[in-house]
Order: sequence, then C-alpha cells, then structure tokens
Amino acid sequence: AQSVTQLGSHVSVSEGALVLLRCNYSSSVPPYLFWYVQYPNQGLQLLLKYTSAATLVKGINGFEAEFKKSETSFHLTKPSAHMSDAAEYFCAVSYGKLTFGQGTILTVHP
Amino acid sequence: GAVVSQHPSRVICKSGTSVKIECRSLDFQATTMFWYRQFPKQSLMLMATSNEGSKATYEQGVEKDKFLINHASLTLSTLTVTSAHPEDSSFYICSARDEVWRGNQETQYFGPGTRLLVL
Repeated sequence: AQSVTQLGSHVSVSEGALVLLRCNYSSSVPPYLFWYVQYPNQGLQLLLKYTSAATLVKGINGFEAEFKKSETSFHLTKPSAHMSDAAEYFCAVSYGKLTFGQGTILTVHP
Repeated sequence: GAVVSQHPSRVICKSGTSVKIECRSLDFQATTMFWYRQFPKQSLMLMATSNEGSKATYEQGVEKDKFLINHASLTLSTLTVTSAHPEDSSFYICSARDEVWRGNQETQYFGPGTRLLVL
C-alpha cells in the first residue's frame, strides 16, 4: 500500500524567505511522486513530478523537489517566496492511482 | 497542452434531482479519467476510475448507483449524481491521464472542479 504524509498542515513564511514543504512517502515499489498546487475554488495544477530520472526535480514557478530514497522524502522548496505562492499544496504518490497527502496551506506575509 | 475542462463550474439543485458533470480532455486523448471529491479543508478523495469503453471502477464505500459514470469517448467522461441530497454537496474534480506520451506516464491533469450545492 502507498501513503503520503505531509508534515505541517499550515506553513507561514515572509515574502522573500525560503519555502520548505515536507512530504514523506511509503511505497512498496519505486514511486512516482508529484506536487500539485490548488488555489481557492480551483482544480489542481501540476508543479513537478519525479519519475525515477534525476533525483532533483525542477518545476514551475521556481519550485523544486529532491527525491531522497534513504529518507523516503520528497520535500518541496522554493528559495524566495512570493505573495502569489499562497495556496494549498498537495504531495501525491502514484502507482496507477494517485494517493494524496493531507495538504499544506502556505501563507506568505509581507 | 494537457488541458482538462469541467462543466458546469458550479451548480445548485434541489434535493432529489440529478446533476450531470462533464469532464473533457481538450488537447489529448484519455482512456482513463478519474473522479475525486473534496470536502472543505480536506484532501481529495478518489471516487472512481473511468475507463473509456468499459465500466468504471469505484472505490470502496462509493455507491455505484448514486454516482453514475460514463466514459463515452476518449475525451469525455461524465459523472451523474442521482437523486442528490444535501450531503452530496461538495467540490467534484476530475482528472485525465495522457497515456499516449510515454514520458508522461502516471501524470494526471486536473479539471477546475465543479461546486455542487444541493438544497
């Protein structure tokens, strides 16, 4: 069985500060891992994905994530937060079907 | 590329009526589409997997007769909420998988969602 745990339901950062959203996965097979972003009352937008190629994955809007097998982690980072990054972020693991984490709401304050 | 649309974006209906939600892949073909439900401040819950030309596969606890899914073509899947009740009010989101491009396996592209309110 696959599962995803996102540590921290809410993360608050200052504009310009580092963004770090944590995700740990559990999978019995090599996983496909994804980060999605959801703005209020909208669907999910794909930020980036890991599909067993490079362990450091670069996505849209300056986000990137590093796959660490030894730590079973796939944390999402961005060097400098913008106000427009405020949204809810979901980590997901896939093997045929997507299993989502609980989501992390990112707040960016001036 | 990889755009998924949903219609309607929001719908209000009376209890006991049926509501149909459409999900379309606009620029790719999708043999597999997925339907999710999201309650406020919660994550997405997979309801069913929609397969073109065959019956949908429902997740445990999801009523097949309540949530009818039809995947009539490679670009269209519909979810019909039958005899809707207030507890069916939720945000319904579909996704589609582009299975033609091999480099894109397992990636799902999501529609904008449909907000259903049953009075």
